[in-house]
Amino acid sequence: AQSVTQLDSQVPVFEEAPVELRCNYSSSVSVYLFWYVQYPNQGLQLLLKYLSGSTLVKGINGFEAEFNKSQTSFHLRKPSVHISDTAEYFCAVSAAGTALIFGKGTTLSVSS
Amino acid sequence: NAGVMQNPRHLVRRRGQEARLRCSPMKGHSHVYWYRQLPEEGLKFMVYLQKENIIDESGMPKERFSAEFPKEGPSILRIQQVVRGDSAAYFCASSLRTSGGTGELFFGEGSRLTVL
Repeated sequence: AQSVTQLDSQVPVFEEAPVELRCNYSSSVSVYLFWYVQYPNQGLQLLLKYLSGSTLVKGINGFEAEFNKSQTSFHLRKPSVHISDTAEYFCAVSAAGTALIFGKGTTLSVSS
Repeated sequence: NAGVMQNPRHLVRRRGQEARLRCSPMKGHSHVYWYRQLPEEGLKFMVYLQKENIIDESGMPKERFSAEFPKEGPSILRIQQVVRGDSAAYFCASSLRTSGGTGELFFGEGSRLTVL
């Protein structure tokens, strides 16, 4: 079975500062990794995904993530955040034939 | 292009009543997933369905909860004899293929159940 740990429940940052949201996973088989974003009272939207190939994945809204197999991590980064990036971010993992398993989420709060 | 449609968006029930949540997947999607979201607990997988088949219900409580995805019509998550602990946001997602591959999940905006 797979599991996901998001190491920070809340991350407050100032506008234009860089941010990293941490995600670690565990699995005994090869996995696929995802980051989703949820704005208040809305559903989840895919930011980016790692399936195979290059370990650096670029997504929407200027976000990127790096798959690190040795550290079983898939941290999400953005070099300069905006107020509009305030939302909840979920890391998720799946393996072949299984449903997506989500972490508990990280609330990113961007202030001016 | 309509996305995943869930209704009702908000539902209030008294303890002991039944709750029915509906989900229409994106056009052409034949895989549906239900998740439950509780504050500070993230999204918990409940069930994965294809048309007329339950593929994985490992996350469904054994009692009072059921799900279906008929040949025609939306997927329905049914909760019988609701209790206060059932209060949560229930999200439906759909995909073209199983999520354990390249299939991206597309989420609805959720149905928020409040049990009084």
